[in-house]
Amino acid sequence: ILNVEQSPQSLHVQEGDSTNFTCSFPSSNFYALHWYRWETAKSPEALFVMTLNGDEKKKGRISATLNTKEGYSYLYIKGSQPEDSATYLCASGSSNTGKLIFGQGTTLQVKP
Amino acid sequence: GAGVSQSPRYKVAKRGQDVALRCDPISGHVSLFWYQQALGQGPEFLTYFQNEAQLDKSGLPSDRFFAERPEGSVSTLKIQRTQQEDSAVYLCASSLVPTGPYEQYFGPGTRLTVT
Repeated sequence: ILNVEQSPQSLHVQEGDSTNFTCSFPSSNFYALHWYRWETAKSPEALFVMTLNGDEKKKGRISATLNTKEGYSYLYIKGSQPEDSATYLCASGSSNTGKLIFGQGTTLQVKP
Repeated sequence: GAGVSQSPRYKVAKRGQDVALRCDPISGHVSLFWYQQALGQGPEFLTYFQNEAQLDKSGLPSDRFFAERPEGSVSTLKIQRTQQEDSAVYLCASSLVPTGPYEQYFGPGTRLTVT
C-alpha cells in the first residue's frame, strides 16, 4: 500500500447501530496514525493519535485500534447517534515535519 | 481559548484573479500547515512552517501558490492568476511543538470557488 486508503467511502446507518471503518496505510517507516472527525461547516476535530502497534484508544462511544505491522486501523462507533454524522478522516503522520497524509474519508450518516 | 481561525470563510474569484487566504493559528503554536481539499478527496499537504521558516513547500501545486508567515504567527496563502482547478477548501492547522506525534488543530477552512 503506497497511499492512505479508507473504506467504505460512505455509510448510512440507523440510530443505535454500531459501525466501523477501516484505514489502510503504508506499514514501512510508520510513525503515527491520526483520526479526525469533520462535521459540516466546522473544523476537523482530532479524535486519536496512535503510535504503538496493538494500541487501542477510546473516547466515549468511539474507539480505535492500530496494527502497524500490517498497516491498518479500525475506528468503531458503538450505538451511533445522529450527532455522529460527519466525515471521518485518517492520516499517516511524518516523523520529521509532522505533515499528515490523509485518506479520502468515510462519510457517516446516522438516521434517527 | 481561541482555536485556529481562517478568513475569509468563502471566496469566489474570477479566473485570473489573485486571492489571499489568512490563517490565525493558536497563540504560541510553533508549527503551521496548509492543506488543500478538492471535492470528494481527503486533504492534501501544501506547505509547512516552523515559526517563520518555511521548511517544506513540496505540496504547492505550482509557482502560482505562495505562502508566508513573516512573524511566526499569522500566515497567508496567496494564489496568483487563479484557475478553475484551484477550487477547493483550504485548511490551515497548527501544532504546539515542531516534531512528534502530536495532534494538529484545524481551522474551519476557506472554500474557494473559481468561476
